[in-house]
Amino acid sequence: DGGITQSPKYLFRKEGQNVTLSCEQNLNHDAMYWYRQDPGQGLRLIYYSQIVNDFQKGDIAEGYSVSREKKESFPLTVTSAQKNPTAFYLCASTLGAGSTDTQYFGPGTRLTVL
Amino acid sequence: EDKVVQSPLSLVVHEGDTVTLNCSYEVTNFRSLLWYKQEKKAPTFLFMLTSSGIEKKSGRLSSILDKKELFSILNITATQTGDSAIYLCASPSSGSNYKLTFGKGTLLTVNP
Repeated sequence: DGGITQSPKYLFRKEGQNVTLSCEQNLNHDAMYWYRQDPGQGLRLIYYSQIVNDFQKGDIAEGYSVSREKKESFPLTVTSAQKNPTAFYLCASTLGAGSTDTQYFGPGTRLTVL
Repeated sequence: EDKVVQSPLSLVVHEGDTVTLNCSYEVTNFRSLLWYKQEKKAPTFLFMLTSSGIEKKSGRLSSILDKKELFSILNITATQTGDSAIYLCASPSSGSNYKLTFGKGTLLTVNP
């Protein structure tokens, strides 16, 4: 079955620690995205990548980093510089250039900083 | 800066009621508007609207776009408790084929 997987489902982190969230897709999509969702805030874009080895900052990139070494994978690192990292993180993908702009989402990772 | 605004932010209804959710937008070089339903985890795609006045329908859900007045509505008839979710509206941002601007969502609660 094609889809997007995220792991772990729940993650706890101590203040001052970096943590990496995994996102993998087997849809053969070119573009991948990371969003953060807070209660009452909707989805806010952190980073996105249109092709392998290329990525751009979204609206709230500070304190986060990403890599795109493989088409299937787009891991997000939440660094200690992120002041308020507790949130629900969603990864998404789209087919690519000429796509219908429909984004398909993974199940999310809930990060809690203790 | 592109904007997508949803209203109401939350809504509580009884089973069997009909609800209308609103989404207004200000997007340069508008291409499309998307609706998603989010239960506990991943948002799932409902509709993509590109043309004014053409209703999209899926079961009890329907949606329509008004490009003159810059808004869309999502209707749910004969609501069921399983319709309880956050409904998200989004539009591709100007200057990018990929970046979506999302509204804050409408939290719909359907009580038995």
